[in-house]
Amino acid sequence: SYELTQPPSVSVSPGQTARITCSGDALPKQYAHWYQQKPGQAPVLVIYKHSERPSGIPERFSGSSSGTIVTLTISGVQAEDEADYYCQSADSSGSYKVFGGGTKLTVL
Amino acid sequence: QVQLQESGPGLVKPSETLSLTCRVSGYSISSGYYWGWIRQPPGKELEWIGSINHSGNTYYNPSLKSRVTMSVDTSTNQFSLKLSSVTAADTAVYYCARDFGSGSYNKYYFDYWGQGTLVTVSS
Repeated sequence: SYELTQPPSVSVSPGQTARITCSGDALPKQYAHWYQQKPGQAPVLVIYKHSERPSGIPERFSGSSSGTIVTLTISGVQAEDEADYYCQSADSSGSYKVFGGGTKLTVL
Repeated sequence: QVQLQESGPGLVKPSETLSLTCRVSGYSISSGYYWGWIRQPPGKELEWIGSINHSGNTYYNPSLKSRVTMSVDTSTNQFSLKLSSVTAADTAVYYCARDFGSGSYNKYYFDYWGQGTLVTVSS
């Protein structure tokens, strides 16, 4: 089955830049999307189609893509950004959605 | 504002069928898009279960396909999930969400989510 791979954890100090990666063989041909999930809450979409930002999401959230790796970048990290982040994409056929294993962002 | 609300039993016995319903408000299911179910076992990652559109067209996770049935009721603006032969491994928070996009389905993503409902499988 198709898998997306994320680092289990990323730590940054307030004001620094956090980068969370997601790798998958089908990413060169399939869009990736990113979700933020805080404890006890439903996920929230923060980036779609690699780099598009939904209305209401702060500009410090951005996304990029290069080959089999997509990256979520949070510039000027704030304490409120501490959460789990999940990438989501589709397999090469486009009919099967998959989530990455999630990355816990810790703001030191 | 699109809102989704899951409902259903919080406790299901092993080997029985889990049944959940998602009520949508602020948007008519008949207007388009897909509507999906995602689950998350305690302390673990998200897992897509499947999605359905207003016409009843479905996409299912291959690993769950043999046990999953999804349906839609446009008259009540609700869609439903049935998962048969459950085991303890099916214990999770179950979320419903709008599966949004344009063009081919592979471009779709979840833009609105319900708050989730915990379903425990135990005798």
